[in-house]
Amino acid sequence: DAMVIQNPRYQVTQFGKPVTLSCSQTLNHNVMYWYQQKSSQAPKLLFHYYDKDFNNEADTPDNFQSRRPNTSFCFLDIRSPGLGDAAMYLCATSPNPLAGSNEQFFGPGTRLTVL
Amino acid sequence: AQSVTQPDIHITVSEGASLELRCNYSYGATPYLFWYVQSPGQGLQLLLKYFSGDTLVQGIKGFEAEFKRSQSSFNLRKPSVHWSDAAEYFCAVAPNRDDKIIFGKGTRLHILP
Repeated sequence: DAMVIQNPRYQVTQFGKPVTLSCSQTLNHNVMYWYQQKSSQAPKLLFHYYDKDFNNEADTPDNFQSRRPNTSFCFLDIRSPGLGDAAMYLCATSPNPLAGSNEQFFGPGTRLTVL
Repeated sequence: AQSVTQPDIHITVSEGASLELRCNYSYGATPYLFWYVQSPGQGLQLLLKYFSGDTLVQGIKGFEAEFKRSQSSFNLRKPSVHWSDAAEYFCAVAPNRDDKIIFGKGTRLHILP
């Protein structure tokens, strides 16, 4: 089945220790998103890629970076995690919006704990 | 700025009872409208969407939603809830098809046996 996969599902890191979260998709979608979701809150968009074009949200901290080496994979790098970065990180994809749909397909998320 | 309001943070209903979750948006034109469901520790799953056409939209798991332009609302309904429907429900809006989605703050649904 076509899907969005996130690895790992649970990640524990230490304060200040860089961490990378992974997302892959078999949907061949043009757009990939990274969201941060804290407990009992709505997902907050960090950035997205439209193909290779990177689009950063204005309020996304510099501590968060992303890479998309190819259509299938997208990575979220947190350079120096703080306690406030503990959250669920959701990856999502959507097909080319100009094809008529901006519906997003979500992965299961990675729960990040910062010690 | 565009916004999405889900006025109910928590809703509790008995199993078998009917359900309506409210969603209002602020945007002049007809936006793209979505309802997503999130079970604990999971990602978001699309229940249904509205782009145009018939204002009553059928979704998965027995859910439906009705777009009411005059009220700027897109309320989610289910005639008879099941214990497995306990989850967080997010209404979402995109002003245009090439715009990013704006999520409401969510409504947590609790089911009484």
